[in-house]
Amino acid sequence: SQKIEQNSEALNIQEGKTATLTCNYTNYSPAYLQWYRQDPGRGPVFLLLIRENEKEKRKERLKVTFDTTLKQSLFHITASQPADSATYLCASRGGKLIFGQGTELSVKP
Amino acid sequence: DTEVTQTPKHLVMGMTNKKSLKCEQHMGHRAMYWYKQKAKKPPELMFVYSYEKLSINESVPSRFSPECPNSSLLNLHLHALQPEDSALYLCASSLGETQYFGPGTRLLVL
Repeated sequence: SQKIEQNSEALNIQEGKTATLTCNYTNYSPAYLQWYRQDPGRGPVFLLLIRENEKEKRKERLKVTFDTTLKQSLFHITASQPADSATYLCASRGGKLIFGQGTELSVKP
Repeated sequence: DTEVTQTPKHLVMGMTNKKSLKCEQHMGHRAMYWYKQKAKKPPELMFVYSYEKLSINESVPSRFSPECPNSSLLNLHLHALQPEDSALYLCASSLGETQYFGPGTRLLVL
């Protein structure tokens, strides 16, 4: 069955460093991948979408890559700040929108 | 208006109660969704409405009953819930690939 996996449940980094989150997919070839941010007790907020024919996409301090050979997307936050602390969800559509388990990012001052 | 609103924010109900969750969007989106989310888990799709018609029901128990009165509103009627139904219930809407989520209703079933 179609699967999306985020291989870190939690990631702790120091303020100012680059956070890198990983999303792997199996058993299908998504036309695009999306990244959402979710704060505790709140709904997910859309951040970025990258299509299969795009290698990289940027938005301010965020960068997403899509490697169809590795079946993987990487999500980077540069110059991370404590305000970036949240759970980040990778998602893709395989019929319906499928979410990965999420990675809880904690940025320490 | 680029918001999805949900009411109430919090709800506590007994197993014999009947209650409803409400969701509203004025972005002109024609697809609307209900998700259930447990702690430390991703959102799980429950229902999808497309052009006000139910298009997907993810084998949700009949104690959850969705309703789409018009293109801006989505309701979820709850009856005879179980304690394990306690969760964050999220509404979302979409026009294309991106989904816009509401803040959710935190439901506790006693």
